[in-house]
Amino acid sequence: DTGVSQNPRHKITKRGQNVTFRCDPISEHNRLYWYRQTLGQGPEFLTYFQNEAQLEKSRLLSDRFSAERPKGSFSTLEIQRTEQGDSAMYLCASSLTREQFFGPGTRLTVL
Amino acid sequence: QQPVQSPQAVILREGEDAVINCSSSKALYSVHWYRQKHGEAPVFLMILLKGGEQKGHDKISASFNEKKQQSSLYLTASQLSYSGTYFCGTLTTPNAGNMLTFGGGTRLMVKP
Repeated sequence: DTGVSQNPRHKITKRGQNVTFRCDPISEHNRLYWYRQTLGQGPEFLTYFQNEAQLEKSRLLSDRFSAERPKGSFSTLEIQRTEQGDSAMYLCASSLTREQFFGPGTRLTVL
Repeated sequence: QQPVQSPQAVILREGEDAVINCSSSKALYSVHWYRQKHGEAPVFLMILLKGGEQKGHDKISASFNEKKQQSSLYLTASQLSYSGTYFCGTLTTPNAGNMLTFGGGTRLMVKP
């Protein structure tokens, strides 16, 4: 399978802990996106990379959130000092042209 | 600003047709349609670009009305596999890096 992969698929953590998620895009895709989706809502844009450069960050992305894409390959999203409001599905998508292909997501539950 | 989708939910019998609308208060460059099944990733359906084009694939088609800043997704002769939540994602400029703004979704349930 050469689609977008995300790990872990599920993460349960206690409030105040740090968590890190990984996204492996489709290999030839130079664009990578992180979205957050809460129950019953559409995905909300968080940040966007073109190759290794982070070109855009949503104001939803507080100082506790950081994302990297070293060497323009996989990407990581880290949330520091997690809060209960961070509980959501974190989706990664990649694209080469206009079509974005989503990964299965990482479901985060903060207790 | 988030596009508005209507209806919020629809229940169909197999073989019936449905229309899902996506409206924006801003001028749109493109509209992207996705279907998401429960617990799964959104799956790309189609893109419509400014210019009022219409696209179709099998029994799912869509149109883009530039004057109304609205796109409609048409599902004809619905199948059980069409069940899921449909999202539209919009771009207001071609240089926005494809950072989509998604609507709240339309839940579609197709019953036998």
